[in-house]
Amino acid sequence: DAMVIQNPRYQVTQFGKPVTLSCSQTLNHNVMYWYQQKSSQAPKLLFHYYDKDFNNEADTPDNFQSRRPNTSFCFLDIRSPGLGDAAMYLCATSRLNTEAFFGQGTRLTVV
Amino acid sequence: AQTVTQSQPEMSVQEAETVTLSCTYDTSESDYYLFWYKQPPSRQMILVIRQEAYKQQNATENRFSVNFQKAAKSFSLKISDSQLGDAAMYFCAYQIQGGSEKLVFGKGTKLTVNP
Repeated sequence: DAMVIQNPRYQVTQFGKPVTLSCSQTLNHNVMYWYQQKSSQAPKLLFHYYDKDFNNEADTPDNFQSRRPNTSFCFLDIRSPGLGDAAMYLCATSRLNTEAFFGQGTRLTVV
Repeated sequence: AQTVTQSQPEMSVQEAETVTLSCTYDTSESDYYLFWYKQPPSRQMILVIRQEAYKQQNATENRFSVNFQKAAKSFSLKISDSQLGDAAMYFCAYQIQGGSEKLVFGKGTKLTVNP
């Protein structure tokens, strides 16, 4: 029944070691979002796709990249994770002019 | 730039009572959506209620209702007959209609429900 699936739920990575988080959806939504959420804070939009159009937030560090190979999948690549990148990463999807559906998130730990 | 402000970091309510969470936003757009999302301790964000800016009638969903004041750019959430399961972080969010679909959140209000 899960409609937005994030893998893995928990990810531990070493400082500076590239890591990829994945998100898939069964809703056929054309918009996909990646948010970073630190403890007790609001989700911070990193970037989002409107179909194939990529929208990067101005304050998203260059260390963060994203790929969307098809409608169903979207990836978040962190090229050189730092301790400050430890957070919950939320993926969400929506259709045009509808609410967003969220995955359960991936909690990233950097050691 | 669009911003969403939630001025109450924390709120508490007695079970069965009513509580109102505040949200204001800043935009120059005329067509947009407003949402309240709930994030329980399990962390999955779920939609509580949505409001289209062009609709004058306030949205309601069972025990949840909003007071949408477009001129004042205010969008408060009222929870009636509060239940223990309502305890969560509540986020107000804004999305431009027919635009890039960017969805922006406020900082959230932590709601505690006391038995």
